[in-house]
Amino acid sequence: AQSVTQPDIHITVSEGASLELRCNYSYGATPYLFWYVQSPGQGLQLLLKYFSGDTLVQGIKGFEAEFKRSQSSFNLRKPSVHWSDAAEYFCAVGSVTDSWGKLQFGAGTQVVVTP
Amino acid sequence: GAGVSQSPSNKVTEKGKDVELRCDPISGHTALYWYRQSLGQGLEFLIYFQGNSAPDKSGLPSDRFSAERTGGSVSTLTIQRTQQEDSAVYLCASSLALSGANVLTFGAGSRLTVL
Repeated sequence: AQSVTQPDIHITVSEGASLELRCNYSYGATPYLFWYVQSPGQGLQLLLKYFSGDTLVQGIKGFEAEFKRSQSSFNLRKPSVHWSDAAEYFCAVGSVTDSWGKLQFGAGTQVVVTP
Repeated sequence: GAGVSQSPSNKVTEKGKDVELRCDPISGHTALYWYRQSLGQGLEFLIYFQGNSAPDKSGLPSDRFSAERTGGSVSTLTIQRTQQEDSAVYLCASSLALSGANVLTFGAGSRLTVL
């Protein structure tokens, strides 16, 4: 069965510092991979996605992620965080053989940004 | 509409009552998804629709949960005889199609509290 692990439940980072959020997946076939962000009281907003091709994916708000098949990872990075990046971040995996919108989500990583 | 609209945004009900949650997807989006977000369980897939049919209902937690979609547009998630463990945020998402490089757009969710 497919699964998604986000090892860090909570991360605190200073404004202007770099950020990396980890995501590991377990999946038998080629996955579709996503990162979503959720601000308090809001729905999920797609940051970026990986379907195929270049393993370094650029997203919105200055985020990027790298797909590493050998490590079954899809880590999210941002070189310099802004206070507005404080939110919860979810990694998700979808199937190429199923409805890809039927996503398996990780438990999320809460990001706190300090001045 | 411009986005996925869900109503009500908040619902408080007594144990044993029935509730209906509504989702109005983006115009022209043929695929519609329901997810549940709760403490301890994270984000769980419930059901998806392609047009008015639901090829996959595997995520519905019990037979107290049902969903329908009419006219290929609005969807209603119904929970009968609500229990306290049904308390959660119910998220709806839509996309242009079930397969391919499509993006899920999520609504802000309906927060259900069962007393």
